[in-house]
Amino acid sequence: QVQLQQWGAGLLKPSETLSLTCAVYGGSFSGYYWSWIRQPPGKGLEWIGEINDSGSTTYNPSLKSRVTISGDTSKHQFSLRLNSVTAADTAVYYCARDSSSPQAGYFDYWGQGTLVAVSS
Amino acid sequence: DIQMTQSPSSVSASVGDRVTITCRASQSFASWLAWYQQKPGKAPKLLIYAASSLQSGVPSRFSGSGSGTDFSLTISSLQPEDSATYFCQQAHTFPYTFGQGTKLEIK
Repeated sequence: QVQLQQWGAGLLKPSETLSLTCAVYGGSFSGYYWSWIRQPPGKGLEWIGEINDSGSTTYNPSLKSRVTISGDTSKHQFSLRLNSVTAADTAVYYCARDSSSPQAGYFDYWGQGTLVAVSS
Repeated sequence: DIQMTQSPSSVSASVGDRVTITCRASQSFASWLAWYQQKPGKAPKLLIYAASSLQSGVPSRFSGSGSGTDFSLTISSLQPEDSATYFCQQAHTFPYTFGQGTKLEIK
């Protein structure tokens, strides 16, 4: 059974860098695309970007200038960095797996979510 | 970006009722659409992909239909555990985008 476990700092000050990591257990890391998705409190979902096992990335243009997604195939992990955070970046952040190999764009396994709050 | 608009934003129905939620896309994209169920404090759960394919393990009372710009999710006989928020998502064009959600309440 595939499990995604994520972790990272939950409270940041404006202008700091958000950093989260997601580890994949119980399934293949190779051959899949891995995404980060966020959800502001009480609101909808926003796709942030993705990476595959070759390190190829695609980002949401709305965040592209501040986002970096990286991966470590040997550890079955991938990470999110978001620079210069503001209160608007306060959200629950999820890691998720694309449901097909190769890519389909649907997300069948999700991490537990990490609430990241940005406040001075 | 492709805008996804769901309706209604909230719905209240009784156990055993048939409930339909709709999702309209700002651009046509064949069947590249998914539906998710999200309960409070939990990650979304994939219910339907490719507009009408049932994800493994999802009860058969859930079904999806549509193509192009208009899609729907139907629950044929509502159960108490179906109380949740439902989201549609397009997987045709980057960036992937989601609808704003439909909150389903059991009367």
